[in-house]
Amino acid sequence: DQQVKQNSPSLSVQEGRISILNCDYTNSMFDYFLWYKKYPAEGPTFLISISSIKDKNEDGRFTVFLNKSAKHLSLHIVPSQPGDSAVYFCAASAADPIQGAQKLVFGQGTRLTINP
Amino acid sequence: EAGVAQSPRYKIIEKRQSVAFWCNPISGHATLYWYQQILGQGPKLLIQFQNNGVVDDSQLPKDRFSAERLKGVDSTLKIQPAKLEDSAVYLCASSLVGYQGSDGYTFGSGTRLTVV
Repeated sequence: DQQVKQNSPSLSVQEGRISILNCDYTNSMFDYFLWYKKYPAEGPTFLISISSIKDKNEDGRFTVFLNKSAKHLSLHIVPSQPGDSAVYFCAASAADPIQGAQKLVFGQGTRLTINP
Repeated sequence: EAGVAQSPRYKIIEKRQSVAFWCNPISGHATLYWYQQILGQGPKLLIQFQNNGVVDDSQLPKDRFSAERLKGVDSTLKIQPAKLEDSAVYLCASSLVGYQGSDGYTFGSGTRLTVV
């Protein structure tokens, strides 16, 4: 089953405007939510995270919002820059109930294109 | 600090052949992960090691995939025999022991496997 979903495969935004990437999840046991950014031919790089007990976390141009009642989170990038063009993965972390180890579950990704 | 090293970067093999991927994690990272990322999908965890012990291999197709982590450092992932549906990017990641989920794993650049 797909516990983490990104329903928009792609998004195109004008440079300088706001980019909003969305993510939905089903497992209420997730305790952290993370966003990764991936350029072609590179591995995903960690961008920003939020604890399940918070509703907002900000780091420079990047802000992540969490709505636990809706099981929804979003990543806002303001202002968007050409270098932000990449695939963005939403991920959620939970401890395995049997093994006890923390592990990440990823969404399908959204390809963000920033147009000059 | 050196990142997660993976080799080879690319591999093309015929179906039913065997292939092996190598990963060297960040020094001091006791936990190592292998993920499979099929085109258009998010990374999926195949196996997780802590030192040289397996923590989670529930999604590893054990009839054809095997992995080992000798001496708790480098790791090798093997596929034998390969199928067309194994075409994907194989990502290795590492993290410190006691990873709590807030700061993400560090990924390598991956090995792109094409099975023809």
